[in-house]
Amino acid sequence: DAGVIQSPRHEVTEMGQEVTLRCKPISGHDYLFWYRQTMMRGLELLIYFNNNVPIDDSGMPEDRFSAKMPNASFSTLKIQPSEPRDSAVYFCASRSTGKNTEAFFGQGTRLTVV
Amino acid sequence: LAKTTQPISMDSYEGQEVNITCSHNNIATNDYITWYQQFPSQGPRFIIQGYKTKVTNEVASLFIPADRKSSTLSLPRVSLSDTAVYYCLVGEYNQGGKLIFGQGTELSVKP
Repeated sequence: DAGVIQSPRHEVTEMGQEVTLRCKPISGHDYLFWYRQTMMRGLELLIYFNNNVPIDDSGMPEDRFSAKMPNASFSTLKIQPSEPRDSAVYFCASRSTGKNTEAFFGQGTRLTVV
Repeated sequence: LAKTTQPISMDSYEGQEVNITCSHNNIATNDYITWYQQFPSQGPRFIIQGYKTKVTNEVASLFIPADRKSSTLSLPRVSLSDTAVYYCLVGEYNQGGKLIFGQGTELSVKP
């Protein structure tokens, strides 16, 4: 397996534009997490899914952020409209339920909103 | 989820053993202790997990006292490539559920 795949790796956009980040979890994993990392706030959990269903979105900063998981192999995190304070590295991670609880992270998407 | 407390940063030299302690006074009976490592510009990577006593793998050892209110990650003979942020997490990971990362410990290994 190629691991968790995120795209794009880097995104530069102008304030007010819509941004869509993509994630392909590891096949067979039933949990998917979206994180945001900044120097000031560290690694924050935004939302996570179990079997494609959002379980906890309490970390989503505001209504400008939305996440979907239409099937077991794909998830998106959308920011509309984007603001400079959204600039961060966004990570997607997946894991499976059971004794092997290791979570695998993607390489992240570095978002810069100018 | 139990709150964890770790030193913000640590310095070491190549070849030394590094011990990073994490406090988790409110750990619950079903909670496991898990450590992740994050290199610059990469996502966190699982290192080791344990419930009690001692766990060892090819990367590190994890020491957990009987009261489980703390744990110590031990890295033997560190090298420059061990420079990273190390996170201690506590929770019921065997049942699924979310992973909450604290501030982590930034380890700097010097030549």
